[in-house]
Amino acid sequence: SQQGEEDPQALSIQEGENATMNCSYKTSINNLQWYRQNSGRGLVHLILIRSNEREKHSGRLRVTLDTSKKSSSLLITASRAADTASYFCATDESAQKLVFGQGTRLTINP
Amino acid sequence: EPEVTQTPSHQVTQMGQEVILRCVPISNHLYFYWYRQILGQKVEFLVSFYNNEISEKSEIFDDQFSVERPDGSNFTLKIRSTKLEDSAMYFCASSELLGNYGYTFGSGTRLTVV
Repeated sequence: SQQGEEDPQALSIQEGENATMNCSYKTSINNLQWYRQNSGRGLVHLILIRSNEREKHSGRLRVTLDTSKKSSSLLITASRAADTASYFCATDESAQKLVFGQGTRLTINP
Repeated sequence: EPEVTQTPSHQVTQMGQEVILRCVPISNHLYFYWYRQILGQKVEFLVSFYNNEISEKSEIFDDQFSVERPDGSNFTLKIRSTKLEDSAMYFCASSELLGNYGYTFGSGTRLTVV
């Protein structure tokens, strides 16, 4: 897989359920970041996890990082309709370059 | 909360014309970037800029493209001789420092080349 590949490509769940998205990457990293993109809009930074961290929380978001498997997951708990968006992981290929995955399109059904 | 501002939000241009996309990064940020996203595809890195110089660029960023910081606030991307395949969302971003810091992205400029 390419650097920063997410799965699934699309996820549809009921409001209130938890959503889990996964990201795999190939090269070594200093950090991995997750971004959200509402349709036709810009990217919003959600959370950054450093390579020496295993888990990080921010509100309803929980990110894990497994550097041995070169993978990360983003968990959104108690999903809301407003969480409907595309979610991208991004890895730092260099100090000034992020490499984004294809993203996961998340749909929260009321 | 501080924002990265991009103008225009949508630009339509004839093939072969030059366009300038404008960005106002967050005032105390030192590093500036342009990314693009062709419809339905990944967000792709174009260029990073620091201290009035390009610090890194991708293979996409060829002689057709240039960036400039003409004054203390604006950061521009110029695309010369636009082609149909240049149609995409172009995102400007800035970051305060390097390393373990997230970027702040603008809302993007949708460029349509006809």
